[in-house]
Amino acid sequence: DTAVSQTPKYLVTQMGNDKSIKCEQNLGHDTMYWYKQDSKKFLKIMFSYNNKELIINETVPNRFSPKSPDKAHLNLHINSLELGDSAVYFCASSQVAGRDGYNEQFFGPGTRLTVL
Amino acid sequence: AQTVTQSQPEMSVQEAETVTLSCTYDTSENNYYLFWYKQPPSRQMILVIRQEAYKQQNATENRFSVNFQKAAKSFSLKISDSQLGDTAMYFCAFMKHVLGAGGTSYGKLTFGQGTILTVHP
Repeated sequence: DTAVSQTPKYLVTQMGNDKSIKCEQNLGHDTMYWYKQDSKKFLKIMFSYNNKELIINETVPNRFSPKSPDKAHLNLHINSLELGDSAVYFCASSQVAGRDGYNEQFFGPGTRLTVL
Repeated sequence: AQTVTQSQPEMSVQEAETVTLSCTYDTSENNYYLFWYKQPPSRQMILVIRQEAYKQQNATENRFSVNFQKAAKSFSLKISDSQLGDTAMYFCAFMKHVLGAGGTSYGKLTFGQGTILTVHP
């Protein structure tokens, strides 16, 4: 019973292709996130979504677009893949924190994307 | 913008010994949370410990404890009685609140560069 799952776990593709990474959470959370971990292991937030509202959108190329069909899913679509997109992408989810509150973010297992 | 700095790229410790991982951060926020995450070779991100900035008492979780110095903006992790299973990359992280439409708060995590910890038998 995986709490946050991602598919695929590994993705190898050619430059210029379009690909999607899927994320699903069964925790009943209402906020989901995408993070990118580069080759130096640096981990950075890309997007955050709540009830189809984009909450956080860091400086990410327009080629990256989050798509949320419902609150249990937040997929990451990448157009025109480039060599520099090679990284591990993590999905996470949490409940809404509430003012000055906190709710733990639960991470998926990651998807290693390799662009050739 | 917030920054989180981990000045130790790699650390090693003998099994059963104690090790301390350093973290400093920079922020103008007054209310925030600090975390240590563990990432073993399996890649899974695991929350180790968290600290609320408004609490003066240092957080502890079994063999893991923190030394939170708010004025110095320092947040170190101490691992006591190190075990082989503690071998992993450790990330220090800062969370501040971001307001969405309607005034609801969301947590935004900023991570440090990570410290690779190796526990030797």
